Amino acid sequence: DGGITQSPKYLFRKEGQNVTLSCEQNLNHDAMYWYRQDPGQGLRLIYYSQIVNDFQKGDIAEGYSVSREKKESFPLTVTSAQKNPTAFYLCASTTPGQGVEKLFFGSGTQLSVL
Amino acid sequence: GEDVEQSLFLSVREGDSSVINCTYTDSSSTYLYWYKQEPGAGLQLLTYIFSNMDMKQDQRLTVLLNKKDKHLSLRIADTQTGDSAIYFCAVPWGNQGGKLIFGQGTELSVKP
Repeated sequence: DGGITQSPKYLFRKEGQNVTLSCEQNLNHDAMYWYRQDPGQGLRLIYYSQIVNDFQKGDIAEGYSVSREKKESFPLTVTSAQKNPTAFYLCASTTPGQGVEKLFFGSGTQLSVL
Repeated sequence: GEDVEQSLFLSVREGDSSVINCTYTDSSSTYLYWYKQEPGAGLQLLTYIFSNMDMKQDQRLTVLLNKKDKHLSLRIADTQTGDSAIYFCAVPWGNQGGKLIFGQGTELSVKP
């Protein structure tokens, strides 16, 4: 079945540690996105990539980094510079420019600080 | 920039209708979307409406769009306990396809 897989489901970060969240899709989508979800604040865009080897900052990119070396993969690194990383992280993908922009979402990763 | 606003909570009785409201600021959006999120899961596209339409009906779901007031609503008829979830209004951002601005989400609680 086609879809987006995020791993791990739960992740714990120690002070000063970088952690990487995985996102893989087999939908052959060109564009991929990382959103952060905090209670009562909706989803905020961290980074997005519309093509391999290219990505752009979203609204809240500080303290995060990404790479897009393969079409299927868009990992997100939460660096030690992100002082408030506890949140639910959602990865999404789509192929833009086809009218209705249907985003497909993964099941999310809950990141907590130890 | 684009701003999308929703109320945070709605509680209804099973069998009643639910109406979830959304306001937005950018009038150039072509499609407007409703997504549903069940607990601990990602979002799923529930329905959408093209900006030149006033209403779209899809089984128990009715979407109403008032472009003058920049107001979007989602009505769920005969609400069931399985409809309990968070509902997000989403509007395209700028002219870069695929980027959406989401509202804060309305948590719908359906009581038996």
